[in-house]
Amino acid sequence: DAKTTQPNSMESNEEEPVHLPCNHSTISGTDYIHWYRQLPSQGPEYVIHGLTSNVNNRMASLAIAEDRKSSTLILHRATLRDAAVYYCILTRNSGNTPLVFGKGTRLSVIA
Amino acid sequence: KAGVTQTPRYLIKTRGQQVTLSCSPISGHRSVSWYQQTPGQGLQFLFEYFSETQRNKGNFPGRFSGRQFSNSRSEMNVSTLELGDSALYLCASSLQGTLGTDTQYFGPGTRLTVL
Repeated sequence: DAKTTQPNSMESNEEEPVHLPCNHSTISGTDYIHWYRQLPSQGPEYVIHGLTSNVNNRMASLAIAEDRKSSTLILHRATLRDAAVYYCILTRNSGNTPLVFGKGTRLSVIA
Repeated sequence: KAGVTQTPRYLIKTRGQQVTLSCSPISGHRSVSWYQQTPGQGLQFLFEYFSETQRNKGNFPGRFSGRQFSNSRSEMNVSTLELGDSALYLCASSLQGTLGTDTQYFGPGTRLTVL
């Protein structure tokens, strides 16, 4: 399985943008990049995913490097409710491979 | 649409006992996956069911088993409980399964404590 590397923790001030990096240097051409987050005392929730192009949705933006070896999850204005562990996960669009969670990045948001 | 529900939310058992956890997926979802989350190992995949068939299995001992019913509801069973089985057990459902573009929707989990 292709691996991802994320910083253990990051801190942000409320109302400021947050850029969460993820390295996936062994990504293959058919791997999708998914982001999930887990708020305290809850199950993980889907944030966003992409293949090659940058993606936007109501929660966040995903910026994917041209060589696809890294990506960045962007929260445009962090709120206290965004404090969570963020997981960057690669998935294949073939077969039935489960989500493989790493340690993720623990994001703290300061008021 | 109602989300993924898991019952019970909390459970306390003693070593050697067995336990059954239940998961009701989002209506229309045919795939149900189970994960174990512990502070030391993080989130680990247990198994996935699709249309009542186990399609994928993680690296867990045979004491961990599951099944899926015709209405897509799923149960997982852990026999001969050990202290190390204390964990948060999460269920996730999706339309087709664990393909690259299929979003997984997680339930709140069942917190199992083994004494």
